[in-house]
Amino acid sequence: QKEVEQNSGPLSVPEGAIASLNCTYSDRGSQSFFWYRQYSGKSPELIMFIYSNGDKEDGRFTAQLNKASQYVSLLIRDSQPSDSATYLCAVSNAGNNRKLIWGLGTSLAVNP
Amino acid sequence: DGGITQSPKYLFRKEGQNVTLSCEQNLNHDAMYWYRQDPGQGLRLIYYSQIVNDFQKGDIAEGYSVSREKKESFPLTVTSAQKNPTAFYLCASRYYPGGGNQPQHFGDGTRLSIL
Repeated sequence: QKEVEQNSGPLSVPEGAIASLNCTYSDRGSQSFFWYRQYSGKSPELIMFIYSNGDKEDGRFTAQLNKASQYVSLLIRDSQPSDSATYLCAVSNAGNNRKLIWGLGTSLAVNP
Repeated sequence: DGGITQSPKYLFRKEGQNVTLSCEQNLNHDAMYWYRQDPGQGLRLIYYSQIVNDFQKGDIAEGYSVSREKKESFPLTVTSAQKNPTAFYLCASRYYPGGGNQPQHFGDGTRLSIL
């Protein structure tokens, strides 16, 4: 059974701090890794995706991938109260259909 | 504006009734997906389609049916055989050039409840 695991939280950080969200996956052949943000009652929205080992930065967000450790993380710098949401990690399998395997999400609360 | 439109936003089903959720996209995406999300649970894949006139069952297809007659449209029917249909239903699509790794994008969702 291919799995994606996230700490459910809640992760609580003060405004302006760095929030670090972590995700581990079981399928060593996974190729693509996605982070989505989901506000309460809303649909998921894509924040970042990463395919290669290392870091990928986009504004206040940095995705970090370590395929050897089967670990992907999302860092949010200068956290704002508007970042308070559930963050979903999704991993694409190596098969032809490229279905996503989803984690259950980490709830983040940024306190003013 | 390009996007994924789901309708209706809220839907109520009577016992024994089939209901159809609409999903339309004008992004020229090849692949479309239907997910179900229950409180405290992750997204579960119901059906997906990578090309017109073809679709595959996901992890929880029982009690659901789909069609893909047009590239833009992927309606989901929740049949009376689905005994616990109350959930948040999400449609997603993605560009699928030769099986690449493009991300999925979501519509705003439909909340289905039993009357």
